[in-house]
Amino acid sequence: ETGVTQSPTHLIKTRGQQVTLRCSSQSGHNTVSWYQQALGQGPQFIFQYYREEENGRGNFPPRFSGLQFPNYSSELNVNALELDDSALYLCASSSGQDQPQHFGDGTRLSIL
Amino acid sequence: GDSVTQMEGPVTLSEEAFLTINCTYTATGYPSLFWYVQYPGEGLQLLLKATKADDKGSNKGFEATYRKETTSFHLEKGSVQVSDSAVYFCALSYGAGSYQLTFGKGTKLSVIP
Repeated sequence: ETGVTQSPTHLIKTRGQQVTLRCSSQSGHNTVSWYQQALGQGPQFIFQYYREEENGRGNFPPRFSGLQFPNYSSELNVNALELDDSALYLCASSSGQDQPQHFGDGTRLSIL
Repeated sequence: GDSVTQMEGPVTLSEEAFLTINCTYTATGYPSLFWYVQYPGEGLQLLLKATKADDKGSNKGFEATYRKETTSFHLEKGSVQVSDSAVYFCALSYGAGSYQLTFGKGTKLSVIP
């Protein structure tokens, strides 16, 4: 069984740029959640997608957006990057909205 | 809003020592509680969970009991190993699963031989 995979593993961008992070959910999972983990902090919930629809959003501005595709893979897009966006971005998938989440290893985003 | 508070780290223990990592929460309803573990360079792994008051979650020798009266979910292990070195996160969510997890800041544990 293939777990949750995220790409790229590391990324460096400059302020004002845009970035797209990708996540392949675990086989059989239809729900994907995204979290931001700043250095030394716990992950913070960004949003969740269930069957291609956004299904809950945390306290993040609209420049954080996402998509879920028919195969349940997902993208996280961040526009107008700011220095504070530097973090580890974690994707988690589950077999339903109320099922245990399985996390990928994350994408480390650095903003210069 | 909901929040989770964990004891400050880092925690350094000798192998076979007893481990306690304190976790308390503030919630408007009746959440499910979780402990996740993060090994260096990896994502989070669910360690254990409890979905209602007085439930005890357990896995790999770790245990935690959902205490509604003290709003706590302390993690314990009787005898730690070097391989337990990691960052431990306490979290809550509403529902039996893990919808919209709210995490604490994490506690780094180092176990020395």
